[in-house]
Amino acid sequence: GEDVEQSLFLSVREGDSSVINCTYTDSSSTYLYWYKQEPGAGLQLLTYIFSNMDMKQDQRLTVLLNKKDKHLSLRIADTQTGDSAIYFCAETWDNYGQNFVFGPGTRLSVLP
Amino acid sequence: SQTIHQWPATLVQPVGSPLSLECTVEGTSNPNLYWYRQAAGRGLQLLFYSVGIGQISSEVPQNLSASRPQDRQFILSSKKLLLSDSGFYLCAWISGAGELFFGEGSRLTVL
Repeated sequence: GEDVEQSLFLSVREGDSSVINCTYTDSSSTYLYWYKQEPGAGLQLLTYIFSNMDMKQDQRLTVLLNKKDKHLSLRIADTQTGDSAIYFCAETWDNYGQNFVFGPGTRLSVLP
Repeated sequence: SQTIHQWPATLVQPVGSPLSLECTVEGTSNPNLYWYRQAAGRGLQLLFYSVGIGQISSEVPQNLSASRPQDRQFILSSKKLLLSDSGFYLCAWISGAGELFFGEGSRLTVL
């Protein structure tokens, strides 16, 4: 069956880089996403990558995909206190929302 | 632009009382709509989805039900709440590009 795993917690110092990791099991996944959830709020799409890509960069965010190991990572450069949130990895093999599989989320704490 | 809203944002209800959480989407027509529940330390669990008015699919058996009386309205209900219904509920819609957009969430506490 499908499963997405993430470490539950990560702490970094302000200004350092954060790397949030995710592993998935469904090799047919076509789309992989990173969502951010701030306290008491809904999820906000941060970025996504297609399975035929290895890397995607968007300002401070870099997504790396290793299809062979089914490993996805999100790197946040120059982490700020405003980056403190829960980050969810998600995978799907189509465009239908009912087939999204979310990880448990990684709570990122940015220390001053 | 498209927006999605859900309310109430927080709700405290006694066991056995009814529930109604409402979600509306603006700026798009005939969206696919979803209700998720989020438990601490676990991913989002899909509860219901709807591809059109009056069309509801349930992903897990439970004490909850959903309805879609209008194109842009999605309601999550219960006739009698259980303690285990406590959680953070999220409504979402999906764009043609396959991006899920979430509402602000509704935190339900059943006492």
